Amino acid sequence: DAGVIQSPRHEVTEMGQEVTLRCKPISGHNSLFWYRQTMMRGLELLIYFNNNVPIDDSGMPEDRFSAKMPNASFSTLKIQPSEPRDSAVYFCASSLNRGAQPQHFGDGTRLSIL
Amino acid sequence: RKEVEQDPGPFNVPEGATVAFNCTYSNSASQSFFWYRQDCRKEPKLLMSVYSSGNEDGRFTAQLNRASQYISLLIRDSKLSDSATYLCAVNTDKLIFGTGTRLQVFP
Repeated sequence: DAGVIQSPRHEVTEMGQEVTLRCKPISGHNSLFWYRQTMMRGLELLIYFNNNVPIDDSGMPEDRFSAKMPNASFSTLKIQPSEPRDSAVYFCASSLNRGAQPQHFGDGTRLSIL
Repeated sequence: RKEVEQDPGPFNVPEGATVAFNCTYSNSASQSFFWYRQDCRKEPKLLMSVYSSGNEDGRFTAQLNRASQYISLLIRDSKLSDSATYLCAVNTDKLIFGTGTRLQVFP
């Protein structure tokens, strides 16, 4: 079975550029989560969707970050403009429902902003 | 106080040792609990869910103590391959992860 699929796996870009991260959740899962992981702050929840609707975006650090889920099989996380402090690993995860069931993670996107 | 707290370690143990990690949580309304394992430069992977009555999966035992608001993970007969970071996750209306406990098993 296909797991959560993220792209790209690695992204290196210069500050000020727009960055778009993509995620395809596990088929049938109705909750999708975007996380950011750094050594200093650990794994932080940025935003999550339930049935394609954003439920909680309180973890989104700034207006430079935005996320969309236009349908049940696709989500994007966009950073515009990007800054060096955005460098981190960004994970997407999905679950059957947001609470009782565990989340399954994609391989992550390793983002470096120069 | 953080919502979910773990001792960051590292825990350095010899092969064959028994090691235990605790994870405390602050929200008494938390409903579900999990342990994840994360290898270096990899994604977190579900190790096991934690049930109220406690549960075991081979060498791994997870327990929940609602009165004291903590969950634990016990690893018996440690293997070199158990070396990783172990993250606890606690769910109320969303899943909150601890910062992880680093385990290093040496020969």
